[in-house]
Amino acid sequence: KQEVTQIPAALSVPEGENLVLNCSFTDSAIYNLQWFRQDPGKGLTSLLLIQSSQREQTSGRLNASLDKSSGRSTLYIAASQPGDSATYLCAVPFGNEKLTFGTGTRLTIIP
Amino acid sequence: GAGVSQSPSNKVTEKGKDVELRCDPISGHTALYWYRQRLGQGLEFLIYFQGNSAPDKSGLPSDRFSAERTGESVSTLTIQRTQQEDSAVYLCASSRQGRTTEAFFGQGTRLTVV
Repeated sequence: KQEVTQIPAALSVPEGENLVLNCSFTDSAIYNLQWFRQDPGKGLTSLLLIQSSQREQTSGRLNASLDKSSGRSTLYIAASQPGDSATYLCAVPFGNEKLTFGTGTRLTIIP
Repeated sequence: GAGVSQSPSNKVTEKGKDVELRCDPISGHTALYWYRQRLGQGLEFLIYFQGNSAPDKSGLPSDRFSAERTGESVSTLTIQRTQQEDSAVYLCASSRQGRTTEAFFGQGTRLTVV
């Protein structure tokens, strides 16, 4: 059974700082890993999809890395802004293809 | 359409009534997922459709829950004899080819059972 863990559960940082969110998974037989953000009361917005053959993927101020062998992914956010405040979720498709989600990291950027 | 569309956005229903939730996936996406998210909780998988294959219903919590999808089009999630514990946001997602491709979510349907 695939288990996905995100630590910390919550994080507060001052505006402008760089930060790293962590995601770990127990089974390295993944096809890809996807990062999402969820704003309160909203659906999920896809941020980045990193394929199992890739080591990193970048979109604007976001950079996701993937280390399959160690079962880890990180999401790096550069020059954080108050608008980055949200819950960040990672997810992996596994086995019968359903996406397995982590429990999320609630990020607060302090102006 | 431009994204995954869900309707209604909000639904309040009386305990014991049936409800039907609708999801319009992105055109051309063969895979469609339903998830449930209770207040303050993580995403709970319900059901997965991939093309013409038999759906993965392993996440449906009881026989009161059912879902249909015709081909690669609209899906409906039906909850019969609703209970208060069914109150949650129901999220739908679609992807072009399932597990190898990016999934996109709708804004969800907030269901409140009173």
